Amino acid sequence: DQQVKQNSPSLSVQEGRISILNCDYTNSMFDYFLWYKKYPAEGPTFLISISSIKDKNEDGRFTVFLNKSAKHLSLHIVPSQPGDSAVYFCAAGDTGTASKLTFGTGTRLQVTL
Amino acid sequence: GAGVSQTPSNKVTEKGKYVELRCDPISGHTALYWYRQSLGQGPEFLIYFQGTGAADDSGLPNDRFFAVRPEGSVSTLKIQRTERGDSAVYLCASRKGRGNTEAFFGQGTRLTVV
Repeated sequence: DQQVKQNSPSLSVQEGRISILNCDYTNSMFDYFLWYKKYPAEGPTFLISISSIKDKNEDGRFTVFLNKSAKHLSLHIVPSQPGDSAVYFCAAGDTGTASKLTFGTGTRLQVTL
Repeated sequence: GAGVSQTPSNKVTEKGKYVELRCDPISGHTALYWYRQSLGQGPEFLIYFQGTGAADDSGLPNDRFFAVRPEGSVSTLKIQRTERGDSAVYLCASRKGRGNTEAFFGQGTRLTVV
């Protein structure tokens, strides 16, 4: 069962515009969420996180929104830059188990000139 | 070290052989994870160490897979009697202690079983 879902395998956005990447989860025990960015032949790089006690977290051009009732989170990138082109993974964890992250299948973002 | 280091970066082995994959976590990080990423998928959890002990090995697919972390730092993932379906990128991550802090990943080891 896919507990973390990223339904859009790819997204193309023009430079300077907003990129919105979406993620849905099913496990109510998840209480913190992270976004990772991955370039080819590299490991995932941490981008931003949010705890379930918040509904928004902002870090520079990156903002993550959490809607607990809908079990949905999104990552906004404004303005998008060509260097943002990568695969973005949504991940969720349960502080109670203090262990594994469950990842989505990723969304490939391409920022065009 | 500055980041999580994994060796080798690439490993090609014949079906049925034994392989060892090494992970050197960030100095001082007590939590260490192994994940496996197949093509077109996100990383899938294999095993989690807190210190020297395996706190959660529920993700290991079968008894051909085993991992150790004898001194609470470097970890080795061991795969016996490799099968073609084991081909994937094996990722190691470390985290500073418990709680909801981010995990830092290495670049991965691409294992190909032929």
